[in-house]
Amino acid sequence: GAGVSQSPSNKVTEKGKDVELRCDPISGHTALYWYRQSLGQGLEFLIYFQGNSAPDKSGLPSDRFSAERTGGSVSTLTIQRTQQEDSAVYLCASSLGAGVTDTQYFGPGTRLTVL
Amino acid sequence: DAKTTQPNSMESNEEEPVHLPCNHSTISGTDYIHWYRQLPSQGPEYVIHGLTSNVNNRMASLAIAEDRKSSTLILHRATLRDAAVYYCILRGFSGSARQLTFGSGTQLTVLP
Repeated sequence: GAGVSQSPSNKVTEKGKDVELRCDPISGHTALYWYRQSLGQGLEFLIYFQGNSAPDKSGLPSDRFSAERTGGSVSTLTIQRTQQEDSAVYLCASSLGAGVTDTQYFGPGTRLTVL
Repeated sequence: DAKTTQPNSMESNEEEPVHLPCNHSTISGTDYIHWYRQLPSQGPEYVIHGLTSNVNNRMASLAIAEDRKSSTLILHRATLRDAAVYYCILRGFSGSARQLTFGSGTQLTVLP
């Protein structure tokens, strides 16, 4: 079946511009996660959505970052007034539920470059 | 959250078994041990998970020490496609159980 898809695959933007990154999770998955991976760094949790519950935003690095999930499916991560340190690969994952044994399925990521 | 410790890198020859160790001495009784791997230029993918007993699936085996303070991911016959960063992750019912907390992982190089 279809996996997690993300778009665009690559995004180059100028410092100060806003960007939107999209994630289409696997159909029927109630949990959705955003992570980012900076060059040479590990994967860092950003935000988590579960069903209709309020999202867990504890990993967002600043108030320039926001995300929404519409209709319990597609999610958009928005970065306002981008900075060079925002350059990273942004990864989305979804899972059937949010239990400790639920497998997270990752998309291919969006590579963001801020000039 | 309980931490894991893995070697930074390992090498293996193609078609030979690979044993990737993970230490988690502060693991709690309800923490599951998960392994994910990340192939070059891809998102991470699930490999295997377990709680107390050894586990096998089509990709790998997971051997868990009796005291659960360490575990080993076993790839029975490494292929070039298995070259990746392997992450050992604990997931429990306390703390940040939902998201995955990735450490630095082990970079596995498979030599032809």
